[in-house]
Amino acid sequence: GNSVTQMEGPVTLSEEAFLTINCTYTATGYPSLFWYVQYPGEGLQLLLKATKADDKGSNKGFEATYRKETTSFHLEKGSVQVSDSAVYFCALRADSGYSTLTFGKGTMLLVSP
Amino acid sequence: DTEVTQTPKHLVMGMTNKKSLKCEQHMGHRAMYWYKQKAKKPPELMFVYSYEKLSINESVPSRFSPECPNSSLLNLHLHALQPEDSALYLCASSQVIRQGAYEQYFGPGTRLTVT
Repeated sequence: GNSVTQMEGPVTLSEEAFLTINCTYTATGYPSLFWYVQYPGEGLQLLLKATKADDKGSNKGFEATYRKETTSFHLEKGSVQVSDSAVYFCALRADSGYSTLTFGKGTMLLVSP
Repeated sequence: DTEVTQTPKHLVMGMTNKKSLKCEQHMGHRAMYWYKQKAKKPPELMFVYSYEKLSINESVPSRFSPECPNSSLLNLHLHALQPEDSALYLCASSQVIRQGAYEQYFGPGTRLTVT
């Protein structure tokens, strides 16, 4: 079956530090990959997506590249802000049938001033 | 407009009550979803509607009853819930359910507490 593995958190950083949150996946075929962010007390917001190998998704300074050879979709940001503190979910959607989202367990990011 | 709205934002109900959660989207999406999210966990899929018909029921107990009155609305009827059903209930929508890179858009959720 499909699965997503994320690094366990919390990840604690100082403002302006570099962020990497690792995400690897297991799936057949060519899934689409997503990063969602959940701020405290809110629903999930789509942060970025990639639909095929070597695609780079980007939004609000965050980036992730779809690496089929390593089955990875790591999230990066060059300089984090306190306002980036949230839980980040990596997810995949299979490329066949009634495909629904498979989520990773989520990684909490805490950024201090 | 990529907004999914949910009401109420918070709900407290007793185990004998009947209540409903509501979800609305105006993006023309034909797939709508209900998820349950417990603290510090990812969302768990409950139901999926495609073109207003129930497509997926992830073995959810019958005390949860979904309804899709039209392409923009999704309801979740609650009856005789248990305290362990307390959670954040999220609604989402997407263009289609079948294959494709169609992302899901989530609402802000309803925080449900069962006493």
